[in-house]
Amino acid sequence: AQTVTQSQPEMSVQEAETVTLSCTYDTSENNYYLFWYKQPPSRQMILVIRQEAYKQQNATENRFSVNFQKAAKSFSLKISDSQLGDTAMYFCAFMKLTIYNQGGKLIFGQGTELSVKP
Amino acid sequence: NAGVTQTPKFRILKIGQSMTLQCTQDMNHNYMYWYRQDPGMGLKLIYYSVGAGITDKGEVPNGYNVSRSTTEDFPLRLELAAPSQTSVYFCASHSPWTTSNTGELFFGEGSRLTVL
Repeated sequence: AQTVTQSQPEMSVQEAETVTLSCTYDTSENNYYLFWYKQPPSRQMILVIRQEAYKQQNATENRFSVNFQKAAKSFSLKISDSQLGDTAMYFCAFMKLTIYNQGGKLIFGQGTELSVKP
Repeated sequence: NAGVTQTPKFRILKIGQSMTLQCTQDMNHNYMYWYRQDPGMGLKLIYYSVGAGITDKGEVPNGYNVSRSTTEDFPLRLELAAPSQTSVYFCASHSPWTTSNTGELFFGEGSRLTVL
């Protein structure tokens, strides 16, 4: 069974600084996706960034980037130039793909509560 | 466009009662999920479905049942409610992922269930 572990329940960072959120996962699969989602107080889940397991290059989306270490089963999220609007719960997620590679079993970690302080 | 609609939003059950949480999406999505989120915790996958007539267990399926007779509906049944099932339940869906929309999930607003 797949598991996703986020070992940092809470983190804080000063506005404009950089913060890294950790995530490890366990799987015997070779073909999968990894994601970071953001959940603000509104409880809406917002996709931050995704990474395909077969891609060695780390994904980036503006101020958000990941450090994907497949052998170590590690998938950390780096937020640069932190903004007050980044304050939210962040979830790491793993998806084992179905044979159609279009979706499948999506497992979330426990979450990291990030506070950006002015 | 309503998106993912969950009902009811709030419910209080007595131990041993049964109920069904309804989830409907109007986006013709194949993939649908039920999660529970306990206070301060992440989302735990209960059941998921990759299309009408196809369902599979997630991480915490015990005490729950699902069915998927249509693309639109994915109800979650709680049999013999227990205090451990007190949680917020989320339904989610997505269309088949492509290179342009991989990871895009649509969530319902959640259903807060209390079992006393």
